[in-house]
Amino acid sequence: DSGVTQTPKHLITATGQRVTLRCSPRSGDLSVYWYQQSLDQGLQFLIQYYNGEERAKGNILERFSAQQFPDLHSELNLSSLELGDSALYFCASSAQRTTYNEQFFGPGTRLTVL
Amino acid sequence: GENVEQHPSTLSVQEGDSAVIKCTYSDSASNYFPWYKQELGKRPQLIIDIRSNVGEKKDQRIAVTLNKTAKHFSLHITETQPEDSAVYFCAASVSSNYKLTFGKGTLLTVNP
Repeated sequence: DSGVTQTPKHLITATGQRVTLRCSPRSGDLSVYWYQQSLDQGLQFLIQYYNGEERAKGNILERFSAQQFPDLHSELNLSSLELGDSALYFCASSAQRTTYNEQFFGPGTRLTVL
Repeated sequence: GENVEQHPSTLSVQEGDSAVIKCTYSDSASNYFPWYKQELGKRPQLIIDIRSNVGEKKDQRIAVTLNKTAKHFSLHITETQPEDSAVYFCAASVSSNYKLTFGKGTLLTVNP
């Protein structure tokens, strides 16, 4: 157990819908990262938040957005869902107190868009 | 941006043999190189990492080597066991921005 929690574990929804994925980082970690894992694209970095502020952005679609709250939990919002958005979504956290960056992953949310 | 290439995509070995997975990266500013193991349907787990000021690091049956000049790093697993079967991902990170760029993964199968 990495100490990072994600809910829900599974999510099944229809095209055009909107969903919210939730992540709680390890105790004391300030940084949260979101990754998308699909069979054809591998593990793709989406976005990073550090202590409530957006720090880095990857190939995140405009239909996707995220935020980190004062208690450091983060939410990833996916809207106007398409079939191709079906994937495993992982959240990771790190302390980011040193130069190097050990990221610990949560168990993931499996999103299925029908 | 950073690009990480990983080879091979699949690797099958006999129990007790060694396994080697290789990665190359493009951004010479990258200075942190972790390896993750992912079992089917599970989260990626950090198994070992190496930093740019070190050429080699070992942890029991697992070792990682880094060649900064050639911009490549490798994972070595000795005395493989069936429970080593999983997908292994290499990654690279530049400390200034912290995001990880992953390779495509290697499916390692250890046959008993």
